[in-house]
Amino acid sequence: QKEVEQDPGPLSVPEGAIVSLNCTYSNSAFQYFMWYRQYSRKGPELLMYTYSSGNKEDGRFTAQVDKSSKYISLFIRDSQPSDSATYLCAMSAVNTGNQFYFGTGTSLTVIP
Amino acid sequence: GAVVSQHPSRVICKSGTSVKIECRSLDFQATTMFWYRQFPKQSLMLMATSNEGSKATYEQGVEKDKFLINHASLTLSTLTVTSAHPEDSSFYICSAEQGSGGETQYFGPGTRLLVL
Repeated sequence: QKEVEQDPGPLSVPEGAIVSLNCTYSNSAFQYFMWYRQYSRKGPELLMYTYSSGNKEDGRFTAQVDKSSKYISLFIRDSQPSDSATYLCAMSAVNTGNQFYFGTGTSLTVIP
Repeated sequence: GAVVSQHPSRVICKSGTSVKIECRSLDFQATTMFWYRQFPKQSLMLMATSNEGSKATYEQGVEKDKFLINHASLTLSTLTVTSAHPEDSSFYICSAEQGSGGETQYFGPGTRLLVL
């Protein structure tokens, strides 16, 4: 079983839709949860960072962490064509040497 | 946010030559930097963890004699692909850890290597 599971998509939505991206994980020790956005041929860009459980909101983006279910989500409201990218979840724990464990990434296309 | 740069952004070289890629944290000090490799439409594959002033820790299956890593300062790590072959062609991305508690990593823009 992989440490982190993420549906690779592709996911295609119309402009203005609410997008829900999800990852599940198996290691209950994970404490830090991140979402990265990666445009084609570019390095990943940090979007959201959450410690432990709870919600975090930043503009059109909301990250949720449910540690009891080992499930994290990223919601994008009022999606825009510029949101078209691959979204990677990542997580880490101090007792794993701070190594990041990445999902495979979900490819999102927002259609104008 | 923290900025990480990588140089060069793209390199084409002949088979058998060595290529050096630099990774710099521009506005923060990074005790730990990471080197990843990414194949098309796939996620990041961690190659090695680079700690300032000590030897890098390589992931299983990564040849340390082929992928030389040096982390000479708190803002610079280098990856040298020695005797490059076409199968080494890939997208190489570095990241730098801000903080020491596994909090987050900031990624460079990546280097696309093509070995002919």
